[in-house]
Amino acid sequence: QQPVQSPQAVILREGEDAVINCSSSKALYSVHWYRQKHGEAPVFLMILLKGGEQKGHDKISASFNEKKQQSSLYLTASQLSYSGTYFCGTAKNTGTASKLTFGTGTRLQVTL
Amino acid sequence: GAVVSQHPSWVICKSGTSVKIECRSLDFQATTMFWYRQFPKQSLMLMATSNEGSKATYEQGVEKDKFLINHASLTLSTLTVTSAHPEDSSFYICSASGVGGPNTGELFFGEGSRLTVL
Repeated sequence: QQPVQSPQAVILREGEDAVINCSSSKALYSVHWYRQKHGEAPVFLMILLKGGEQKGHDKISASFNEKKQQSSLYLTASQLSYSGTYFCGTAKNTGTASKLTFGTGTRLQVTL
Repeated sequence: GAVVSQHPSWVICKSGTSVKIECRSLDFQATTMFWYRQFPKQSLMLMATSNEGSKATYEQGVEKDKFLINHASLTLSTLTVTSAHPEDSSFYICSASGVGGPNTGELFFGEGSRLTVL
């Protein structure tokens, strides 16, 4: 079942913060976050494996709730380069072969 | 990170013809490759899972006779769209994981191939 993301779209001014949510009706093995620019392949941001986990790099971080049914991506002090469509992906299998089901996507536009 | 190369980047073909898209892992052995399709402003939808040396596993609703997948070596998987029609026009993306690549659970994506069927 495809995870549901919210919001569907958001427009920010440079320097503002944003939160993107990813929800599933079932507990997940892991959640992956990707950003895709128009006409390009998705770029990996991070993966969370454990309930209650939080991680991040630079000004992008993510959390995975204890029940492993919801993840949130936090974009702090957004930059123009953050514009794109963000997808969460949930893995069906364990191990190195990550068969991902992608979420519905969130379109983010950062303006001056 | 590991490198996955996809070719061609874009292709335009006439209705009824077949088109082959290649996906190569350049610096690791991809035991498993995944093929996704993405229509404009939509999410990536998994089409099939390709394992080296065995038949591909197709997702529900994907016609295996129309979308032929071959994974003959640990570095190459191909997707052939047979008798393409305008409704097959889409962005096709491969991804790979396997031996010799970073074991982070991360998927490595090719650049994608945009197919336009006239």
